[in-house]
Amino acid sequence: RKEVEQDPGPFNVPEGATVAFNCTYSNSASQSFFWYRQDCRKEPKLLMSVYSSGNEDGRFTAQLNRASQYISLLIRDSKLSDSATYLCVPLDGDSSYKLIFGSGTRLLVRP
Amino acid sequence: GAVVSQHPSWVICKSGTSVKIECRSLDFQATTMFWYRQFPKQSLMLMATSNEGSKATYEQGVEKDKFLINHASLTLSTLTVTSAHPEDSSFYICSARTASGGYEQYFGPGTRLTVT
Repeated sequence: RKEVEQDPGPFNVPEGATVAFNCTYSNSASQSFFWYRQDCRKEPKLLMSVYSSGNEDGRFTAQLNRASQYISLLIRDSKLSDSATYLCVPLDGDSSYKLIFGSGTRLLVRP
Repeated sequence: GAVVSQHPSWVICKSGTSVKIECRSLDFQATTMFWYRQFPKQSLMLMATSNEGSKATYEQGVEKDKFLINHASLTLSTLTVTSAHPEDSSFYICSARTASGGYEQYFGPGTRLTVT
């Protein structure tokens, strides 16, 4: 089983739509989670940190279900500029400093 | 805040030569910096973790004598790719954790290395 599993997409949605990404992780010892976005040929940029059951920042809401080892990201009122790859990144529970990167979910927002 | 820079942003070199990449935290002190590599359409792969003033910790399968890491200060880490080969061509990205913050890593803009 992969350490982080995400639907690679692409998710193709119209502007203004609400879209949700799901992520499952294998290490139950992971305590902290992050959502990063990565544009093509660019570095990852931190979108949100999740230390408890969830977090909300403007149009973005993350929810964590530790029992199911599942974390989601909801984007409301999608903008064209939201088009990117979204990376669900658990902190390695065994090391407390390594981030575990998967391949992410690609989002395309169309006009 | 939490800005990380990298230099150069891209470099082309010949096989057998060495290339040095610099990673700087501009507005914070970073006790720990990380070096990643990313091939096209693949996820980031951690190469090594460096702590200021001590030897880097390399991930399994990463040759420490080929990828030399120096973390001489709280704001600067360097990665030197020695005796570069075409298969070393990749996108190299550094990240840093703040000394006083949480577990978030802030990434530099990356260096695109092409070895001919």
